[in-house]
Amino acid sequence: GAVVSQHPSWVICKSGTSVKIECRSLDFQATTMFWYRQFPKQSLMLMATSNEGSKATYEQGVEKDKFLINHASLTLSTLTVTSAHPEDSSFYICSVKRGSTSTDTQYFGPGTRLTVL
Amino acid sequence: QQPVQSPQAVILREGEDAVINCSSSKALYSVHWYRQKHGEAPVFLMILLKGGEQKGHDKISASFNEKKQQSSLYLTASQLSYSGTYFCGTEIEETSGSRLTFGEGTQLTVNP
Repeated sequence: GAVVSQHPSWVICKSGTSVKIECRSLDFQATTMFWYRQFPKQSLMLMATSNEGSKATYEQGVEKDKFLINHASLTLSTLTVTSAHPEDSSFYICSVKRGSTSTDTQYFGPGTRLTVL
Repeated sequence: QQPVQSPQAVILREGEDAVINCSSSKALYSVHWYRQKHGEAPVFLMILLKGGEQKGHDKISASFNEKKQQSSLYLTASQLSYSGTYFCGTEIEETSGSRLTFGEGTQLTVNP
């Protein structure tokens, strides 16, 4: 069964609005979750690492104020795209790790397709 | 530093074999392989750690050559279900928190 869920699966919004995407770890508690963005036919680009109980770590070039991440519990992380614009349209995928070592598998959620009109 | 995957795309007939390579300019600690079908999330295939590790499951196997800073994914007797885009994710330091950097992907198409 699924290890990670995301909600919603897809969302269409108007330019200037904010969109919240939820990522839930279903099988285990995850102290760390990752948020990726993927444009069509391109690679997975890490946006930020979400740490439970502390601030997220953002990758270079990712605007912290635009992509708000909240890791409120060991099973839930949320990504809020604030004041979305058409260029933010993309496939957003979260992933979770069972542990913190390199041997732990990273499981991906089903993704959320965001379309900003 | 993003790893380089080759080839970018490959087309096979069912039953044929394929090799996908993943190379890095930096020393690798681990390599993670995933397969993604169109519109879906990547699905985990396997992890390889430094030390010349090799792994396999069914007809998919992989090797890790730390001297060459390269990993290869081997698909033998390919099936239609193998079609998809294969990504390697690399970790360059043990203490990096398992932060993976993914290659551009290799699109594999298996035809009947």
